[in-house]
Amino acid sequence: AQRVTQPEKLLSVFKGAPVELKCNYSYSGSPELFWYVQYSRQRLQLLLRHISRESIKGFTADLNKGETSFHLKKPFAQEEDSAMYYCALAGYSTLTFGKGTMLLVSP
Amino acid sequence: NAGVTQTPKFQVLKTGQSMTLQCAQDMNHNSMYWYRQDPGMGLRLIYYSASEGTTDKGEVPNGYNVSRLNKREFSLRLESAAPSQTSVYFCASSLLRGRGEANYGYTFGSGTRLTVV
Repeated sequence: AQRVTQPEKLLSVFKGAPVELKCNYSYSGSPELFWYVQYSRQRLQLLLRHISRESIKGFTADLNKGETSFHLKKPFAQEEDSAMYYCALAGYSTLTFGKGTMLLVSP
Repeated sequence: NAGVTQTPKFQVLKTGQSMTLQCAQDMNHNSMYWYRQDPGMGLRLIYYSASEGTTDKGEVPNGYNVSRLNKREFSLRLESAAPSQTSVYFCASSLLRGRGEANYGYTFGSGTRLTVV
């Protein structure tokens, strides 16, 4: 069975500090992973896809198959980064989401 | 483009009442999904429709029914609402079914906040 684990419910940092949101997955095949972001009371938006190896809003994420991880990183957090972040794993027909990590960036 | 449109945005029901949540997409996507979002539980899949004419159960289907009316529309029905169904419901769509087909992820609607009293 596929599973996504986000071990932190809440991550609180100061503006300018580095951020790492953890995501671990369990999947028997070759994974396809995503990060979604949800700003306060808004819809979920796609932030990153691992296959595109892109950097969006200063965030990056690298797939580590050995550690079965897909951690989201940003070197310098901004207050506007405060949001709920979800890691997701693509199955045959659907996405499985982690429980999410709330990121709070204080001034 | 509107993307994925959900109606209503807010609803309060009494226990035992029924209602239908509507979802429509204008992106010519094949697949559509209904999730519920609860604090500490993340997003859990209720039902999905991989293509027009098909529907399948997700992780938490009990108490819900769905209809894929056409390629654009996918509705979620609560036949007899219960307080445990108080949640935020999100509809989503995607162009492709899932793995191995250059998955571009999902596009989400803005959600329906449902309270059952």
